[in-house]
Amino acid sequence: AQTVTQSQPEMSVQEAETVTLSCTYDTSESDYYLFWYKQPPSRQMILVIRQEAYKQQNATENRFSVNFQKAAKSFSLKISDSQLGDAAMYFCAYRSFNTGNQFYFGTGTSLTVIP
Amino acid sequence: EAGVAQSPRYKIIEKRQSVAFWCNPISGHATLYWYQQILGQGPKLLIQFQNNGVVDDSQLPKDRFSAERLKGVDSTLKIQPAKLEDSAVYLCASSTGQGAYYGYTFGSGTRLTVV
Repeated sequence: AQTVTQSQPEMSVQEAETVTLSCTYDTSESDYYLFWYKQPPSRQMILVIRQEAYKQQNATENRFSVNFQKAAKSFSLKISDSQLGDAAMYFCAYRSFNTGNQFYFGTGTSLTVIP
Repeated sequence: EAGVAQSPRYKIIEKRQSVAFWCNPISGHATLYWYQQILGQGPKLLIQFQNNGVVDDSQLPKDRFSAERLKGVDSTLKIQPAKLEDSAVYLCASSTGQGAYYGYTFGSGTRLTVV
């Protein structure tokens, strides 16, 4: 089974600054998707950004961008101009391209934004 | 578009009691998932339905957990009897199809505490 590792249980950032959350994964597949999900105290998992493994270009969504290193099996999330509303748990997740049925999630990183 | 509805939001039961959770997916979403999220961990798939048929229940503890999706719409997840280690958030999600490119929408989950 695929494994996803998030080695930073907690991170903090000053408002308006930039923070990077780390994620590594292990797979023998060549085609897959990687995701970052945000889980605020409301508990609903909200999609932040998605990366297709066959695409070399890193995905961006407004203030959120990723650094996808396929050979290193690394998938970090950069949040620019951090806002108070960015405070939440962030989960990195893997999904197979072929089977595509389930997500494999990391253990999460709790992000605090300091005013 | 209405989101994925789950109830109840919170539930506290004693060990060995039974409990049921309800999920109403987004209208038209054929695929429905139940995930278990233990405190400090990422969500893990329990069961996946395609319409009213089970696609994957390999990680469902079938001696105590059961799930059904009658008429391919609403779903119910039951635990009987509950154990202390079942304390977790139970997330329901739905998507339009099974492939990895189909997006998921998560509900806000039910937080179960077993005492």
